[in-house]
Amino acid sequence: DAGVIQSPRHEVTEMGQEVTLRCKPISGHNSLFWYRQTMMRGLELLIYFNNNVPIDDSGMPEDRFSAKMPNASFSTLKIQPSEPRDSAVYFCASSSYSSGQYFGPGTRLTVT
Amino acid sequence: AQTVTQSQPEMSVQEAETVTLSCTYDTSESNYYLFWYKQPPSRQMILVIRQEAYKQQNATENRFSVNFQKAAKSFSLKISDSQLGDTAMYFCAFMNPNTGNQFYFGTGTSLTVIP
Repeated sequence: DAGVIQSPRHEVTEMGQEVTLRCKPISGHNSLFWYRQTMMRGLELLIYFNNNVPIDDSGMPEDRFSAKMPNASFSTLKIQPSEPRDSAVYFCASSSYSSGQYFGPGTRLTVT
Repeated sequence: AQTVTQSQPEMSVQEAETVTLSCTYDTSESNYYLFWYKQPPSRQMILVIRQEAYKQQNATENRFSVNFQKAAKSFSLKISDSQLGDTAMYFCAFMNPNTGNQFYFGTGTSLTVIP
């Protein structure tokens, strides 16, 4: 298996622009997680899905952030409009029952 | 709510020596899973080892082993024969399977292996 795939790996954008991060989970995994990691705040859970259904989005910072999982093999995290404070590494992870979460390589987002 | 505590923000160890990273957690559940993740400078989060709470035997993966003390709610990671490639951030994590596979991570311990 190729593992969790994220794209793009790096994204540099200007404040106010829309940013879309993409994730393909490991085939057969039924849970998908979006995290954000910064030096100041560490690793934060933004949202997670079970069987394509959002279960907990309480970590989504504000309405500028939205996430979708239209099917078992694809999810997006969208930021519109982006702000400099959104600069971080965004991780996607997937898991099946008790397997442990397997992380993608992350997307390093820089908003100028 | 579950909490995971890693009380050692930074540690160092001489190459080839053994080091133990501490982790404690708080839960009222009896069935759960515990994990250690490694995050090297590349930023990739790597699953190192996994422990099921209902198993008394401590998990082992090559040079990595855990000391799981269920009554004390302690889950430490021992790295034997430390190598330079072990330099990384290490995160302890707790999962309650009754809450939809959600993970709770500690704040991490930064380990440096000194040549």
